[in-house]
Amino acid sequence: AQSVTQPDIHITVSEGASLELRCNYSYGATPYLFWYVQSPGQGLQLLLKYFSGDTLVQGIKGFEAEFKRSQSSFNLRKPSVHWSDAAEYFCAVGENTGNQFYFGTGTSLTVIP
Amino acid sequence: GAGVSQSPRYKVTKRGQDVALRCDPISGHVSLYWYRQALGQGPEFLTYFNYEAQQDKSGLPNDRFSAERPEGSISTLTIQRTEQRDSAMYRCASSPGAGWPGELFFGEGSRLTVL
Repeated sequence: AQSVTQPDIHITVSEGASLELRCNYSYGATPYLFWYVQSPGQGLQLLLKYFSGDTLVQGIKGFEAEFKRSQSSFNLRKPSVHWSDAAEYFCAVGENTGNQFYFGTGTSLTVIP
Repeated sequence: GAGVSQSPRYKVTKRGQDVALRCDPISGHVSLYWYRQALGQGPEFLTYFNYEAQQDKSGLPNDRFSAERPEGSISTLTIQRTEQRDSAMYRCASSPGAGWPGELFFGEGSRLTVL
């Protein structure tokens, strides 16, 4: 069965520091991969997605993610975090046979001044 | 509409009552998904539709849960005889096409509290 693991439940970084959120997936075929962000009281917003091609994908708000097939990973990165980046981040994998999306349990990001 | 709209945003009900949660997807979007999200967890798949056809309902926890999308647009998720364990955020998402690759656009969710 497909699964998504986000090993870090909570991360705290200083404003201006770099950020990396980890995501590992389990899926037999080439996955479709997504990162979503959820701010308090808001719906989930797509940050970026990987379908095929270049394994380094750029998203909104200065985020990027790299697909590494050998490690079954799709880690999210940002070179310099802003206070407004504090939110919950979810990694998701899409199953192209059943049109289903599977989400990780999320990583909560706190940004300190 | 401009985005996915869900109503009510908040619903408090007593155990044993029925509740209906509504989702109005982005105009023209073919696919519509329902997810449930418990506190501290990621969204959990419940069911999805392409147009008016329910394609997969394998995530519905039991037969108290049902969903419909009769005209291929607005969808209703109904929970009968609610129980406290049904308390969660219920999220609706729509997607432009029926095939892959897809992308989900989420509404703000309906928070259900069962007393």
